[in-house]
Amino acid sequence: EVQLVESGGGLVKPGGSLRLSCAASGLTFSTYTMNWVRQAPGKGLEWVSYITSNSDYIGYADSVKGRFTVSRDNSRNSLYLQMNSLRAEDTAVYYCARESSGRSGYNDYTWFDPWGQGTLVTVSS
Amino acid sequence: DIQMTQSPSSLSASVGDRVTITCRARQTISTFLNWYQQKPGRAPKLLIFAASSLQNGVPSRFSGGGSGTDFTLTISSLQPEDFATYYCQQSWRSPWTFGQGTKVEIK
Repeated sequence: EVQLVESGGGLVKPGGSLRLSCAASGLTFSTYTMNWVRQAPGKGLEWVSYITSNSDYIGYADSVKGRFTVSRDNSRNSLYLQMNSLRAEDTAVYYCARESSGRSGYNDYTWFDPWGQGTLVTVSS
Repeated sequence: DIQMTQSPSSLSASVGDRVTITCRARQTISTFLNWYQQKPGRAPKLLIFAASSLQNGVPSRFSGGGSGTDFTLTISSLQPEDFATYYCQQSWRSPWTFGQGTKVEIK
């Protein structure tokens, strides 16, 4: 069974930093693109970042670009999100999610499955 | 960014009802559309990918349809465990974007 377990969340002051981790098991981690998705309290889902299997390609939402850095260690089956210059609006549950894919006809589709249980980041003074 | 809009934002329904949720993309996304279910305090769970393909293990009462800009998620006979919030997500072009969610509540 594929399992993703996030850790590293907590309370941090505005302007502070935090590093999230996502430990993966039950899959060949090194072959998958991984993503971070967040959810502010009582709000919807917001994609944050992706990193391809060997870290060749990385992407960020505009809301975090220049402040957050995604990385991975395939030897440790782990995904990371370094969050700097944190703001109140970064308060959210942060989920890691595997990007799965499949072909149908001429198209290659992708989707998020599975997701970890999430870790809460609270930015407050 | 591709904006995704769901309707309604919430609905009340009874067990056994047929429920349809709509998701509209601001530009055409072919069939690059996924649906997720989220229960309170839990992570989202994939229901449907590529607009109409049912994820393994998801009950057949769930179905998806549409292409281009307009999509639907239908629950043919609502069950007690289906009361949750549902999100659509486009996978046509990064940044990946979600609809605002549709909360399905008990009438």
